[in-house]
Amino acid sequence: DAGVIQSPRHEVTEMGQEVTLRCKPISGHDYLFWYRQTMMRGLELLIYFNNNVPIDDSGMPEDRFSAKMPNASFSTLKIQPSEPRDSAVYFCASSLAGTVESYEQYFGPGTRLTVT
Amino acid sequence: QQQVKQSPQSLIVQKGGISIINCAYENTAFDYFPWYQQFPGKGPALLIAIRPDVSEKKEGRFTISFNKSAKQFSLHIMDSQPGDSATYFCAAPPNAGGTSYGKLTFGQGTILTVHP
Repeated sequence: DAGVIQSPRHEVTEMGQEVTLRCKPISGHDYLFWYRQTMMRGLELLIYFNNNVPIDDSGMPEDRFSAKMPNASFSTLKIQPSEPRDSAVYFCASSLAGTVESYEQYFGPGTRLTVT
Repeated sequence: QQQVKQSPQSLIVQKGGISIINCAYENTAFDYFPWYQQFPGKGPALLIAIRPDVSEKKEGRFTISFNKSAKQFSLHIMDSQPGDSATYFCAAPPNAGGTSYGKLTFGQGTILTVHP
């Protein structure tokens, strides 16, 4: 299996621009998670999906952030408009269904976002 | 809201020594506690996890110890090697009363450096 795939790996954009991050979870996985990692705040859960349905978006910082999962093999995280404070590494992770298995998350390589 | 407190923030160990990282959590609905290992420029990778009704889990040089009454768990790395140099994260499921399968709260991370 190729693991969790994220694109792009690096994104540099100017403040005010729209940014779209993409994720392909591991085939057969039921849960998909979006995280943000910064030195100051560590690894933060932004939103997660179960069977393509958003379950908890309480970590989404504000309305500028939105996430979708149109099918089991694809998800997007969009920031519009982007701000310099959004600069971070964004990770996507996925896991299987099951009481224990749902917690065994497999992370992608991340997208390093820089907003100037 | 689950909180996970991890210590120390950084750790320097000589090759062959023992590395110990500790985590404390609040209430949790499910006793599953994973540790993740992250190398620079990579996503976190599941290293080892302890499941319900188990007080210790050992995989090679890595051991998790779990103290339910104290609400603490720790990672021990025996015979530490320079290749173990990475950032380690502990994580815990939501507080008791939550029903969010799959959701994890991560500790702030420990930067481990093993000197040759």
